Amino acid sequence: KAGVTQTPRYLIKTRGQQVTLSCSPISGHRSVSWYQQTPGQGLQFLFEYFSETQRNKGNFPGRFSGRQFSNSRSEMNVSTLELGDSALYLCASSLVTPGRGIDTQYFGPGTRLTVL
Amino acid sequence: AQSVTQLDSHVSVSEGTPVLLRCNYSSSYSPSLFWYVQHPNKGLQLLLKYTSAATLVKGINGFEAEFKKSETSFHLTKPSAHMSDAAEYFCVVSDLDAGNMLTFGGGTRLMVKP
Repeated sequence: KAGVTQTPRYLIKTRGQQVTLSCSPISGHRSVSWYQQTPGQGLQFLFEYFSETQRNKGNFPGRFSGRQFSNSRSEMNVSTLELGDSALYLCASSLVTPGRGIDTQYFGPGTRLTVL
Repeated sequence: AQSVTQLDSHVSVSEGTPVLLRCNYSSSYSPSLFWYVQHPNKGLQLLLKYTSAATLVKGINGFEAEFKKSETSFHLTKPSAHMSDAAEYFCVVSDLDAGNMLTFGGGTRLMVKP
């Protein structure tokens, strides 16, 4: 099975612009989660989508948003970019098996966003 | 609320010697615990997962971890380090109260000397 794919792998934007990142989960996985990784704050949870609905959200401003499509692919959007948004954005997918407890999340390679 | 503390930000070992990466966790419920590894400019790869089936968990590449509830610890070990083990390692906790949200430790950078 193909793993989680993320596009693009690298992005350079300027302050005030907006950006959209894309994530394709492992085939059959219905949950997609997004994480931000920075040297200062480490890995932080952004949000999770399941069946096209946001199921959980981390402590990030409203400039960060996302959505999930019927084929489970997900996008995240960051509007009005700030220098501090420079980070590696990681997407993870999981199967979601009812009654089976916490599912393992499988990560993509990430999108490296640089804001100038 | 759940949290994870990785006790060492950097660990340096010689090739062929044992590896010990320490992790303490806090969770309101019976947690699931994970170790992930990240090589430079790569995503996160799952090493192993604890879900209450057995306290000693074996993972890939010779790594294993032991869940100790009384000590709230989940330390990662490997009997003999290899140069290819040099990477950043993350201890991660999740519990049913958090849904599918993972909480990461700060990471431990493992350096392996020849």
